Amino acid sequence: GAVVSQHPSWVICKSGTSVKIECRSLDFQATTMFWYRQFPKQSLMLMATSNEGSKATYEQGVEKDKFLINHASLTLSTLTVTSAHPEDSSFYICSARDGGDSPLHFGNGTRLTVT
Amino acid sequence: GENVEQHPSTLSVQEGDSAVIKCTYSDSASNYFPWYKQELGKRPQLIIDIRSNVGEKKDQRIAVTLNKTAKHFSLHITETQPEDSAVYFCAARTFGNEKLTFGTGTRLTIIP
Repeated sequence: GAVVSQHPSWVICKSGTSVKIECRSLDFQATTMFWYRQFPKQSLMLMATSNEGSKATYEQGVEKDKFLINHASLTLSTLTVTSAHPEDSSFYICSARDGGDSPLHFGNGTRLTVT
Repeated sequence: GENVEQHPSTLSVQEGDSAVIKCTYSDSASNYFPWYKQELGKRPQLIIDIRSNVGEKKDQRIAVTLNKTAKHFSLHITETQPEDSAVYFCAARTFGNEKLTFGTGTRLTIIP
């Protein structure tokens, strides 16, 4: 089955620094990947849709200059949280589909803690 | 855009009994409805999905029903076991739209 790998699984950083999270589709090519954020005991909120070779599409209220997304290849999308603040602490999960109408598969998630 | 509501937010069930979680959606054009199970600190895992051209789908102890007219769908877990304890999310997607909209989640606890 389709496997999505995400790295790192957890990261602790200081306020003001930037953190990069990688999302890879291991056994399929993904022209589109999705980045979600999940606060404790809450649902998954879509942040942006990552499109290979073009700009990401951000959801309303998500700052594109703060959450930089790069989808440079068919198997890799990266999310960079720039100038991180404690309120950015959250669980970030990427996802992708193997084919237009197939189910969405999630990466393991990255728990970001900003001190 | 699509709006998905999910109830209940928490559910406790005696081991062996059945559990039912319900979701409603707003966009009549939605045609794909997956259910995900998420254990603490882990990724959501797809457990079952249904498309709008069928009314029910079953996979062992898990079943999903869909009422397109009323715009609601439900997850049914029979003969519940302790390992069924987790948070369950429903979701909906519209044909031609890549985005998946999630419900607010149901924390299911199976009481041994």
